[in-house]
Amino acid sequence: DAKTTQPNSMESNEEEPVHLPCNHSTISGTDYIHWYRQLPSQGPEYVIHGLTSNVNNRMASLAIAEDRKSSTLILHRATLRDAAVYYCILRAVRGTSYGKLTFGQGTILTVHP
Amino acid sequence: ETGVTQSPTHLIKTRGQQVTLRCSSQSGHNTVSWYQQALGQGPQFIFQYYREEENGRGNFPPRFSGLQFPNYSSELNVNALELDDSALYLCASSLGRGRSGTDTQYFGPGTRLTVL
Repeated sequence: DAKTTQPNSMESNEEEPVHLPCNHSTISGTDYIHWYRQLPSQGPEYVIHGLTSNVNNRMASLAIAEDRKSSTLILHRATLRDAAVYYCILRAVRGTSYGKLTFGQGTILTVHP
Repeated sequence: ETGVTQSPTHLIKTRGQQVTLRCSSQSGHNTVSWYQQALGQGPQFIFQYYREEENGRGNFPPRFSGLQFPNYSSELNVNALELDDSALYLCASSLGRGRSGTDTQYFGPGTRLTVL
């Protein structure tokens, strides 16, 4: 599986935007970029995914670099409920027959009131 | 729509014992995946079941086994428990076996297993 690199931790203030970076320099052309987050004492939760174009949904936006070697998850207005571990995951399509998620260490996001 | 549920919530076992963890998938989902999450680490993929058959496995020994039933619920069995098996065990359900790269996995809250 292609590897992702994320900062160990980031901090933000409530109601400010948060940009969570992810590097994936070995990404292949068919790998999808997925983001999940894990709130304290809960299972991971899907946030967003994309392939080449930037994506928006009700939770967040995903900005993908033109060369696809990096991406940024954007929380437009952080709330205290957004405090979680955020995982950037590459989903391989070619050469796989099943859909496992390969989690790294993730980024611990702390939101200050 | 009912989400993914897991039972029990917590479990304490001793080394050498066997344990069975249970998962009910989200309504309409035919695929279940199991993950092990050690304290402070990201979840690690154990295996995946699609329509009652194992169709993918991570780097876990054979003493980790599973089942998926016709209603798509699932069990994870671990034999000969070791201290390092202490972890949060997560179940995730999805629709389709995951070949598209776009499917979303929905996780349960997990079962916390402690091996003494």
